[in-house]
Amino acid sequence: GAGVSQSPSNKVTEKGKDVELRCDPISGHTALYWYRQSLGQGLEFLIYFQGNSAPDKSGLPSDRFSAERTGGSVSTLTIQRTQQEDSAVYLCASSYSSYEQYFGPGTRLTVT
Amino acid sequence: EDKVVQSPLSLVVHEGDTVTLNCSYEVTNFRSLLWYKQEKKAPTFLFMLTSSGIEKKSGRLSSILDKKELFSILNITATQTGDSAIYLCAVEADRGSTLGRLYFGRGTQLTVWP
Repeated sequence: GAGVSQSPSNKVTEKGKDVELRCDPISGHTALYWYRQSLGQGLEFLIYFQGNSAPDKSGLPSDRFSAERTGGSVSTLTIQRTQQEDSAVYLCASSYSSYEQYFGPGTRLTVT
Repeated sequence: EDKVVQSPLSLVVHEGDTVTLNCSYEVTNFRSLLWYKQEKKAPTFLFMLTSSGIEKKSGRLSSILDKKELFSILNITATQTGDSAIYLCAVEADRGSTLGRLYFGRGTQLTVWP
């Protein structure tokens, strides 16, 4: 595709449920990043992938958060037992090596 | 602790005005500073700055970096209503295993009235 895509665009879930967020990076981009943007806050780094491996998971806020990437392409961010404080916009970005990152449209997660 | 601070947090101007947005940073292993424009969800890339004193321009937008004083400014001249957005400053740091890790400021919400 022409850009980074993410799905779903919006997700409303009940507290305690698990959710999966998907990111399709730009074809050929080896690096993939997940960020979270809470209301009124800047983007918060969550995790970085180079290829299929995640050398930096330091931004994941708790062990309820996990992510994987397969085939050097699609990535899934999973949040288990969602809490209300998980409500945010989750943004994915990809880049070729260390050049500028291109962002997807994000997934707005609302935990009720 | 690494941090990126933007000011002002919000700004309201009229069409035709010139605005200056500020970004200061304290980040170890600095690689570059980036500016993004965020209108709805996806931030769109504006500039990447790596060297001090070299102005980057794109139409009515320009930006410059001062690596000695650890700040950058983004200028927008002859503002238009379409410039209304959140402008995000991000600093890229080299964390060894992580290339391109970005530290974001909270952004400046710019509103341009007709």
